[in-house]
Amino acid sequence: SQQGEEDPQALSIQEGENATMNCSYKTSINNLQWYRQNSGRGLVHLILIRSNEREKHSGRLRVTLDTSKKSSSLLITASRAADTASYFCATDEGGGFKTIFGAGTRLFVKA
Amino acid sequence: NAGVTQTPKFQVLKTGQSMTLQCAQDMNHEYMSWYRQDPGMGLRLIHYSVGAGITDQGEVPNGYNVSRSTTEDFPLRLLSAAPSQTSVYFCASSYSPVTGELFFGEGSRLTVL
Repeated sequence: SQQGEEDPQALSIQEGENATMNCSYKTSINNLQWYRQNSGRGLVHLILIRSNEREKHSGRLRVTLDTSKKSSSLLITASRAADTASYFCATDEGGGFKTIFGAGTRLFVKA
Repeated sequence: NAGVTQTPKFQVLKTGQSMTLQCAQDMNHEYMSWYRQDPGMGLRLIHYSVGAGITDQGEVPNGYNVSRSTTEDFPLRLLSAAPSQTSVYFCASSYSPVTGELFFGEGSRLTVL
């Protein structure tokens, strides 16, 4: 079973617009991570937010975490064509050693 | 640093054949793991290891074996390949699963006929 579920499954926007992706999970966590995957490549770590944090920024990325709702969101501001990729959230299921991924959101940014 | 290196990049097997996917990391990471990714799906954890000599099952361990004799290497063995094991396999490593940030290899694409 997958811990994280992303929403939407796919998102198409114009360059310059903001992109928001959501992730919901099922069990308690110590941290939640977001990864990016370009087509046919390995995943690249974007940002990690701990369970005692509510918001975190990294460049054009903003991540929020609501542990009461077991949900997180990833906001990419001023998107670029190069942001076209799949984005996955991942959690340490139950605070253990397993990092479990969701099904991902496919983002397409049109130039 | 090469990071996480997976071999082979592509492999075609016949049903019932066995093979080993190799994974090596040069970052002295204690934690290593194997995932499979099927079309339109996220990654599913197969097996993981928190250090040399220690392995454990993930979400979908059936049909796969692993061992961890050194910190650097974490091979994944398919004992008797089945068409359902057609997938892209990713190896990942981390300094610590608790502090996060997995480093991924570029993947091994396996087709079982």
